[in-house]
Amino acid sequence: DTGVSQDPRHKITKRGQNVTFRCDPISEHNRLYWYRQTLGQGPEFLTYFQNEAQLEKSRLLSDRFSAERPKGSFSTLEIQRTEQGDSAMYLCASSSRTGANYEQYFGPGTRLTVT
Amino acid sequence: ELKVEQNPLFLSMQEGKNYTIYCNYSTTSDRLYWYRQDPGKSLESLFVLLSNGAVKQEGRLMASLDTKARLSTLHITAAVHDLSATYFCAVDPSWGGSEKLVFGKGTKLTVNP
Repeated sequence: DTGVSQDPRHKITKRGQNVTFRCDPISEHNRLYWYRQTLGQGPEFLTYFQNEAQLEKSRLLSDRFSAERPKGSFSTLEIQRTEQGDSAMYLCASSSRTGANYEQYFGPGTRLTVT
Repeated sequence: ELKVEQNPLFLSMQEGKNYTIYCNYSTTSDRLYWYRQDPGKSLESLFVLLSNGAVKQEGRLMASLDTKARLSTLHITAAVHDLSATYFCAVDPSWGGSEKLVFGKGTKLTVNP
């Protein structure tokens, strides 16, 4: 078990460009979550999947953001027409939500800088 | 809407001293997590608290949960420089079908020699 992985770790893009991030969860976990963290703040929930179904989306997830988990394994988060306000750390987490422990395990994050 | 408040937000302490970080939340939950984050890094899980009265200890850190008071504490004993980091509490509301964690703003701890 190698934990949650994310790619790329860093992304610098110009305003107006599209970017896509990938998250690979822990293999036996059926839940996958996306959070966004800006400087000096705690992570904020964006969306989550149970298997391939996207079950909850935050109002933070504007129509420029889209997330997929097509085969219930890895997930992608795409941001279209990036804005400077999108600059943040994007964190992915996974969990199995079995038994009583619903702990979410976080990946290393993708740091996005929009210039 | 669930709100999670941590205090203090900034804590500067000397090595060897004790201190407590507080995490208050606004609605019923019996699942609370503490994470540590080093600058530029992701979140490292410290404690999972799953019931009222739960107490967990690891090294110089001890966490507790009082679900009736909607309060968790993270106590630091005899602080050392290596504990310098930002500490987050996160509440799992687990009601209404929501599975999102709601985080506090974090407590940035600096331990000075």
